[in-house]
Amino acid sequence: NAGVTQTPKFRVLKTGQSMTLLCAQDMNHEYMYWYRQDPGMGLRLIHYSVGEGTTAKGEVPDGYNVSRLKKQNFLLGLESAAPSQTSVYFCASSYPSGSGPHEQYFGPGTRLTVT
Amino acid sequence: AQKITQTQPGMFVQEKEAVTLDCTYDTSDPSYGLFWYKQPSSGEMIFLIYQGSYDQQNATEGRYSLNFQKARKSANLVISASQLGDSAMYFCAMRESLFLFGGYNKLIFGAGTRLAVHP
Repeated sequence: NAGVTQTPKFRVLKTGQSMTLLCAQDMNHEYMYWYRQDPGMGLRLIHYSVGEGTTAKGEVPDGYNVSRLKKQNFLLGLESAAPSQTSVYFCASSYPSGSGPHEQYFGPGTRLTVT
Repeated sequence: AQKITQTQPGMFVQEKEAVTLDCTYDTSDPSYGLFWYKQPSSGEMIFLIYQGSYDQQNATEGRYSLNFQKARKSANLVISASQLGDSAMYFCAMRESLFLFGGYNKLIFGAGTRLAVHP
């Protein structure tokens, strides 16, 4: 099993450009998440999805859009990139919540720089 | 309001010694879970240990144990017999609403503690 994979690993964008980050998981997880990690701030939730065709906003959704057309894929889009979106982006997936850990499995991250 | 607080930006420990990484949390939800993740310099997030709010005993996983003090709202990670490979960033995280549909397994992370293990 590959687990959670992210494409691309690195990207440099100019202000105003658009791009899509792709996340794929092969664990048949229902739930998927996009986080951003900035220095000194831990990980913050951008958007999440609890199933195919459904998405919801997290803590810092502004400037991002997402889509979950297939259960195994979760796409994060930046329509008009800004320098404030320079960050490391992590995708994660998990089973639904419950009494057990149901821990989130993370992808390797995408380092995005917006100049 | 900050829900997860990690007050130690950086810690160092001598190899083979034990170290405690602090984590305090804030929630009014009676059902929650607490996690610790490790992030080595390579960048991936590795799940270490979990404690549910209703669990009677402190969680242990090999050299990792979670010192859960519910009344004090603290969930400190203890690493015994530190190894050089333990040098990494460590994140405490919380999930609320364990049993409610709509909890959606969302995690709230602390800012992290960078641990350096010295030989």
